Amino acid sequence: GAVVSQHPSRVICKSGTSVKIECRSLDFQATTMFWYRQFPKQSLMLMATSNEGSKATYEQGVEKDKFLINHASLTLSTLTVTSAHPEDSSFYICSALEGEGHNEQFFGPGTRLTVL
Amino acid sequence: SQQGEEDPQALSIQEGENATMNCSYKTSINNLQWYRQNSGRGLVHLILIRSNEREKHSGRLRVTLDTSKKSSSLLITASRAADTASYFCATDRPGFQKLVFGTGTRLLVSP
Repeated sequence: GAVVSQHPSRVICKSGTSVKIECRSLDFQATTMFWYRQFPKQSLMLMATSNEGSKATYEQGVEKDKFLINHASLTLSTLTVTSAHPEDSSFYICSALEGEGHNEQFFGPGTRLTVL
Repeated sequence: SQQGEEDPQALSIQEGENATMNCSYKTSINNLQWYRQNSGRGLVHLILIRSNEREKHSGRLRVTLDTSKKSSSLLITASRAADTASYFCATDRPGFQKLVFGTGTRLLVSP
């Protein structure tokens, strides 16, 4: 099956710093990628939809200036958490769609962000 | 919120028993999918059932879909300790690619 990687798998940072998380599709081209966040013992909540070559579409309540998304190529999308605060500590998961007409999203292993 | 709901929230069984999880959703759908997540890990896709299907099997998994009730169930037969994980349903609507996840069921299978 298709493989999606995320880097880093775990990051600890100080309040006020910015953190970049990468999501890569390893063996397929992904025109669309999705970014989710998941708090402990809760479900995944979609943050934004990232389309290659265009601006991301953010879900209601997600600050686009705080969570910067760039989908510069068909295999890479990045999420930058700017001026991170402790309440941004969460598990961030990306997923990728293989292309038009495909229904199955392939998920990355997630990135655990801890903001001190 | 458009988020679906799952019940039970938590389920504890013995190895060999069957586990049934239920998912309810709120809108018309294209597909419903079930995922498994081990603690602190990413999601593993289990099975996809289309809106025009009523039942699907994959190994020890059986999924049913009742679009009139906007509900689905996942049955894991002859459970194993390795089935211990959280299970989520997720739906996508016609014309939309994004998934809406249910609240999840935490399954514990004891040896």
